[in-house]
Amino acid sequence: QKEVEQNSGPLSVPEGAIASLNCTYSDRGSQSFFWYRQYSGKSPELIMFIYSNGDKEDGRFTAQLNKASQYVSLLIRDSQPSDSATYLCAVMDTGNQFYFGTGTSLTVIP
Amino acid sequence: SQTIHQWPATLVQPVGSPLSLECTVEGTSNPNLYWYRQAAGRGLQLLFYSVGIGQISSEVPQNLSASRPQDRQFILSSKKLLLSDSGFYLCAWSVGPSGQQYFGPGTRLTVT
Repeated sequence: QKEVEQNSGPLSVPEGAIASLNCTYSDRGSQSFFWYRQYSGKSPELIMFIYSNGDKEDGRFTAQLNKASQYVSLLIRDSQPSDSATYLCAVMDTGNQFYFGTGTSLTVIP
Repeated sequence: SQTIHQWPATLVQPVGSPLSLECTVEGTSNPNLYWYRQAAGRGLQLLFYSVGIGQISSEVPQNLSASRPQDRQFILSSKKLLLSDSGFYLCAWSVGPSGQQYFGPGTRLTVT
């Protein structure tokens, strides 16, 4: 059974701080990695994707991938109260199958 | 640009009643289509996916079924709902090998 593990949280950070969200996956052959943001009662929204080892930056968001350690993370700089949401990690394997983590709840405190 | 629609937005149905949820995608051709369910406080569970008209793969045995009568239309059905079918049903689409999936607004189903 392929697994994607996330700390369920809740994770609380003060406004303006860096929020760090982590995800590990079990399938070493996984190729593509995604971060979704889900506000309460809403559907998930794709915010970042990464395919290669290293960092990928988009505005205040940075995705980090380490395939050797089977680890992917999302950093949110200058966190804002509007970033308060559940963040889902998703992994696509070599067979194009998607696996989602259960999400980490983030609260940014004004 | 691409848009995905789902309806209805909310639904309350009694146990044993039938179900039909519809999803349509605009602005793209030959999308891969997916049905997920998210139970309260739980992760996303893939129910069905489709790579083309009439091609449906089921991930979880259950009393649900899916159909894809047109390229950009995906339907989730049940003949008799169970209490355990309650949840947030999400349709998603993707195109090509990149794997990026985009979700519709979802249908919140409560079975009473």
